[in-house]
Amino acid sequence: GQNIDQPTEMTATEGAIVQINCTYQTSGFNGLFWYQQHAGEAPTFLSYNVLDGLEEKGRFSSFLSRSKGYSYLLLKELQMKDSASYLCAPEGAGSYQLTFGKGTKLSVIP
Amino acid sequence: ETGVTQTPRHLVMGMTNKKSLKCEQHLGHNAMYWYKQSAKKPLELMFVYSLEERVENNSVPSRFSPECPNSSHLFLHLHTLQPEDSALYLCASSQQTGGAETQYFGPGTRLLVL
Repeated sequence: GQNIDQPTEMTATEGAIVQINCTYQTSGFNGLFWYQQHAGEAPTFLSYNVLDGLEEKGRFSSFLSRSKGYSYLLLKELQMKDSASYLCAPEGAGSYQLTFGKGTKLSVIP
Repeated sequence: ETGVTQTPRHLVMGMTNKKSLKCEQHLGHNAMYWYKQSAKKPLELMFVYSLEERVENNSVPSRFSPECPNSSHLFLHLHTLQPEDSALYLCASSQQTGGAETQYFGPGTRLLVL
């Protein structure tokens, strides 16, 4: 079965750094995706981790520990437009097996 | 512009109606997906088509019927729906390469069943 846990909501200040954690238990594992979804819009791809460690992409970084079933998304220099839901999605061993968490709703305040 | 379009964007239907949702991808991908997103719930995978063949059906009620006439188009036919089927229906596509397959989502159809 699949079990994905991430905080429901977070609030952070503009210009600050925020870390969104995700723990998962899946039957088989290939890698892990992070998606961003603004209210009323489609999810958009942010990152994909397959190896342990930190992947940096501009203001956003994503970390994976396969042995711990743990990932986090790090957002630096927060901007108001970063207010959105962030979806953790581990990819199972079989094809097409993307399972999404409930998402973390991030609110960035001035 | 994500390269995946969906119509209609909003739909209100009665429980006895029949309607269809349409998805079109302009990315040259070979796999397409239907997801359901309800309030306070995670995205739920409904159907997967790869090379126009259905390869995944996650115990979806028969009142939802998918159709994939070619690799660029995907439909979801709806009939005798229930109020609890009200949700955002998202289409996605990806390129099956045997490696990591990033899915690209359409804007969704917001469905209200009365």
